[in-house]
Amino acid sequence: GENVEQHPSTLSVQEGDSAVIKCTYSDSASNYFPWYKQELGKGPQLIIDIRSNVGEKKDQRIAVTLNKTAKHFSLHITETQPEDSAVYFCAAWVGTGFQKLVFGTGTRLLVSP
Amino acid sequence: EAGVTQFPSHSVIEKGQTVTLRCDPISGHDNLYWYRRVMGKEIKFLLHFVKESKQDESGMPNNRFLAERTGGTYSTLKVQPAELEDSGVYFCASSQAGRSNYGYTFGSGTRLTVV
Repeated sequence: GENVEQHPSTLSVQEGDSAVIKCTYSDSASNYFPWYKQELGKGPQLIIDIRSNVGEKKDQRIAVTLNKTAKHFSLHITETQPEDSAVYFCAAWVGTGFQKLVFGTGTRLLVSP
Repeated sequence: EAGVTQFPSHSVIEKGQTVTLRCDPISGHDNLYWYRRVMGKEIKFLLHFVKESKQDESGMPNNRFLAERTGGTYSTLKVQPAELEDSGVYFCASSQAGRSNYGYTFGSGTRLTVV
């Protein structure tokens, strides 16, 4: 079935460093790839997404890259801040007709001051 | 606009009891989804409503889980009888009609603990 693999499971960086989280997906028909940030006690919140017709998208300190041939996509956070600490999930939109999100297992990012 | 609302936020029940979770989607969102995250694992799809109709319930674990969306507004997810492995965080999400991945918004989740 469809699956999304995400690495690493935990990531610790110093404030100001960059953080990179990588995901691979199995369904070659997937065309939409969102990234979610989940803070304690809250639901996943969309932080950035990318569609299959572009290779990169940037929003301030956050960027996402997509390689459709290799079926992988990555989240890049630059100049990390302590408030970036959270669990990050990648996801892929799969299926035909009515679709659903398939998530990765999450990456716990800890940014130390 | 109000977001997706879920309650209760936490529930602790004993094995064998019944629990009902509720989700109020964003007003006007026809698509409503239930997901679950078991400790340390991925967020897994449970089912998808379009208005009051179940479009995909392929992720429902077994027949102890029953989801309803009467009238196409709020939805309930009932677990009866609950088992230990049902513990986890249950998320609801909603999105606009016809464009399932647009405006896809999650609620804060219900943390269910079965003891």
